[in-house]
Amino acid sequence: AQTVTQSQPEMSVQEAETVTLSCTYDTSESNYYLFWYKQPPSRQMILVIRQEAYKQQNATENRFSVNFQKAAKSFSLKISDSQLGDTAMYFCASFREETSGSRLTFGEGTQLTVNP
Amino acid sequence: DAGVTQSPTHLIKTRGQQVTLRCSPKSGHDTVSWYQQALGQGPQFIFQYYEEEERQRGNFPDRFSGHQFPNYSSELNVNALLLGDSALYLCASSSTGVYGTSGSMQYFGPGTRLTVL
Repeated sequence: AQTVTQSQPEMSVQEAETVTLSCTYDTSESNYYLFWYKQPPSRQMILVIRQEAYKQQNATENRFSVNFQKAAKSFSLKISDSQLGDTAMYFCASFREETSGSRLTFGEGTQLTVNP
Repeated sequence: DAGVTQSPTHLIKTRGQQVTLRCSPKSGHDTVSWYQQALGQGPQFIFQYYEEEERQRGNFPDRFSGHQFPNYSSELNVNALLLGDSALYLCASSSTGVYGTSGSMQYFGPGTRLTVL
């Protein structure tokens, strides 16, 4: 079974500053994917960034980047130049795929508030 | 290109009733997964449908059942509703390749908020 842990229930940051959200995971799979999703008050789940476990290079998507430490099973999200629109719940998730199907396993989430 | 759609948006039921939620996948997708998200928690995997069959199932009782239609749309049925079934129900669609793998990209719908009184 896969587990995902987010140890920061809430975080806040000033507009234009940088913030890092933490995530650890546990899996017995040799190949897997990791995700960060954003869920604003509308509750629409929005994909922020994806990391393939077999790739050593950290994924980057504009102001969002990850620090993927495979041996430590750590997958943190860095948001640079924070904007008010970044205020949302952020979920870390792992993806397991088998020939019998696939599923996402989510953490409990971190509520990020960007202050003006 | 239409994304994943879900209906209804909101639903209020009483304990013991039955409910059906609906999902239409993104164009070109053939696999539908359902998740339950209780307030203040992360989504929990319920089950996944492909080729009109349930492929995988999470830790949910048999009161939760589903169906997939030939056009790939899907329904989630919950019988004998409990107060604890109150949650946001998310549908996610993906495309399963010839080897039975979906390549990890799941696209979420806006969800159905179910309230059980």
